[in-house]
Amino acid sequence: KAGVTQTPRYLIKTRGQQVTLSCSPISGHRSVSWYQQTPGQGLQFLFEYFSETQRNKGNFPGRFSGRQFSNSRSEMNVSTLELGDSALYLCASSLAGRGQGYEQYFGPGTRLTVT
Amino acid sequence: GESVGLHLPTLSVQEGDNSIINCAYSNSASDYFIWYKQESGKGPQFIIDIRSNMDKRQGQRVTVLLNKTVKHLSLQIAATQPGDSAVYFCAESPQTGANNLFFGTGTRLTVIP
Repeated sequence: KAGVTQTPRYLIKTRGQQVTLSCSPISGHRSVSWYQQTPGQGLQFLFEYFSETQRNKGNFPGRFSGRQFSNSRSEMNVSTLELGDSALYLCASSLAGRGQGYEQYFGPGTRLTVT
Repeated sequence: GESVGLHLPTLSVQEGDNSIINCAYSNSASDYFIWYKQESGKGPQFIIDIRSNMDKRQGQRVTVLLNKTVKHLSLQIAATQPGDSAVYFCAESPQTGANNLFFGTGTRLTVIP
């Protein structure tokens, strides 16, 4: 079956702009999590959505937001981009919920460059 | 999933040798631990996991050891192959099944043919 897909794969934006990234989970997966990966901070958890509700949130400013649609597809948005937002943004999906099918499968990521 | 530019601990091993990658975790309340492998241009790939009520778990060519006393996790790879070259991350979660994972800094493994 198809893996986690993320679009676009590469993106270049200017400081102050906003950006929306998209993630399509594996078919049947209801949980989608987002992570930011940078050379300085490594992999950091942004937030998790399950059945269209944010279930967990990491320690990121309010400029970072997300949502999940009824088909489990998810988007994350970053407003007022800063140079430090340049990173690889990874999406991961997993089955229903805690206690079952919790293994997370990652997509290839979206490389965001802010200039 | 590029990791280029990360100042990571590195480990170089000869093909066929065993590899041991170590990880110190921070939260003594963490209940669930996972090892991921990340190759250049790809997202992290699940290798093996272990719950806090276990101290050892084996998979195909891999073994994870958990020492809760010193908050230490290790990944052993038997008969390391060139395809094992990648960055390896340990991750912890406060609850089994919770998807808010906290990742370690990673170790870059290079297999010398």
